[in-house]
Amino acid sequence: EPEVTQTPSHQVTQMGQEVILRCVPISNHLYFYWYRQILGQKVEFLVSFYNNEISEKSEIFDDQFSVERPDGSNFTLKIRSTKLEDSAMYFCASSERNSNTGELFFGEGSRLTVL
Amino acid sequence: AQTVTQSQPEMSVQEAETVTLSCTYDTSESNYYLFWYKQPPSRQMILVIRQEAYKQQNATENRFSVNFQKAAKSFSLKISDSQLGDTAMYFCAFMRNDYKLSFGAGTTVTVRA
Repeated sequence: EPEVTQTPSHQVTQMGQEVILRCVPISNHLYFYWYRQILGQKVEFLVSFYNNEISEKSEIFDDQFSVERPDGSNFTLKIRSTKLEDSAMYFCASSERNSNTGELFFGEGSRLTVL
Repeated sequence: AQTVTQSQPEMSVQEAETVTLSCTYDTSESNYYLFWYKQPPSRQMILVIRQEAYKQQNATENRFSVNFQKAAKSFSLKISDSQLGDTAMYFCAFMRNDYKLSFGAGTTVTVRA
C-alpha cells in the first residue's frame, strides 16, 4: 500500500541551527501538508502546498519556516534558525483532492528536539 | 475558524467492552468531512474512520462506528469489543472544502486487561 515516508525519524539540534525535514508523499498525490504536534498537545496545521506554491499557512508558519519541492518526489520543511519551542513532532501529509474521501495520508512523523 | 472539542481527556475501558468518545465541532459550512485518527505510542497518525457530512448514514469500520448528528454538530466514536491494541490517543478532526484539518485536543484511551 502506498505510504508517505519521512526522514529523519528523530533529529536533535542546537538552538539556532538550520533543520531540514524531508517527506516523500504518495506518488500520485498533488497536495502536500505539514502539521506539528508539540508533546502532549493537539496536532496543528502549519502549511499546505500545491502546484509549487504555498496554498495556505498558519500563524505558526513564520519567516523562519519554508517549504520546497526540490524535485518530483521530495517535499521539505526547513526551519532556518531553530528555537527551543520548535521541539515537536512534525507530520507530513498528502492527498488527492479529486477523490471524494477527503482523506489525508500522514507519514510517521519526524521528531525534532532543539537543545 | 473551525473549532473541534473533545471533552474527555482520558477514558479507561475493560478489554472486550465498549467505549464512546465524544466530539463536537463548530462550523458554518454545510459540506465537510469528519475523521477520527488514532495515535498509538509510536505517535503515527492512523485514520480510524471518516464521515462525509452529506451522508446521513453513520460510518462503520469493523469495531469502530460513529454517531454523526449534523444538527447538533456532534461526531462521537464508539469502539466495540475493545482490544489492548486500541490503547492510544484518539483525535477528532474536521476538514472543510479547503482540505485543511482542524484537530481536537485528543482523548487518551486505555484498555485494561
